[in-house]
Amino acid sequence: DTEVTQTPKHLVMGMTNKKSLKCEQHMGHRAMYWYKQKAKKPPELMFVYSYEKLSINESVPSRFSPECPNSSLLNLHLHALQPEDSALYLCASSQEPHLTAYEQYFGPGTRLTVT
Amino acid sequence: DQQVKQNSPSLSVQEGRISILNCDYTNSMFDYFLWYKKYPAEGPTFLISISSIKDKNEDGRFTVFLNKSAKHLSLHIVPSQPGDSAVYFCAARYQGAQKLVFGQGTRLTINP
Repeated sequence: DTEVTQTPKHLVMGMTNKKSLKCEQHMGHRAMYWYKQKAKKPPELMFVYSYEKLSINESVPSRFSPECPNSSLLNLHLHALQPEDSALYLCASSQEPHLTAYEQYFGPGTRLTVT
Repeated sequence: DQQVKQNSPSLSVQEGRISILNCDYTNSMFDYFLWYKKYPAEGPTFLISISSIKDKNEDGRFTVFLNKSAKHLSLHIVPSQPGDSAVYFCAARYQGAQKLVFGQGTRLTINP
């Protein structure tokens, strides 16, 4: 099973709303990632969790707040977003973070629209 | 500064022929390279990878070649099928790091 699931599939929110994106994997992976992807652009890394601890924050604005409740779950809490934050948000996971074989497996993404 | 470059934004190939997608990189500290395929409104799907200590890796119809001296890798798909039509991303990892650096992607269209 190489599945990463994400909910919701689509989300429309106003700039004053608070919402959360959820990601789950049951592959026993110990590293999980949030990416943002705009149209016709490559995925951009936002956050990395290794062994449930935040290991990389790519200078992401504080209106995005990640959380890793356990090794299978990853959340992204959203608050006071801007229209330019509209994008496809992708979750990914990989095995032991520093193994040489390093494939990341991506979920289907959440299409976020901020109005 | 783009460290991973896919210079062809698009490529069109006849069904049954070979598709060759190219990727160049600038940083010699990259030690692992991956190819992903992406359909619209879906997440990237891992296709194939190669370690910097190898020069070729093959998996079914997909073969990745790495030329370290030229800092160049390529993905060969043979024979090409209509379902291969997608955007293909090349990605690279710094030695010992967790971050992947992605190229801009190449849109492959397989014509019947």
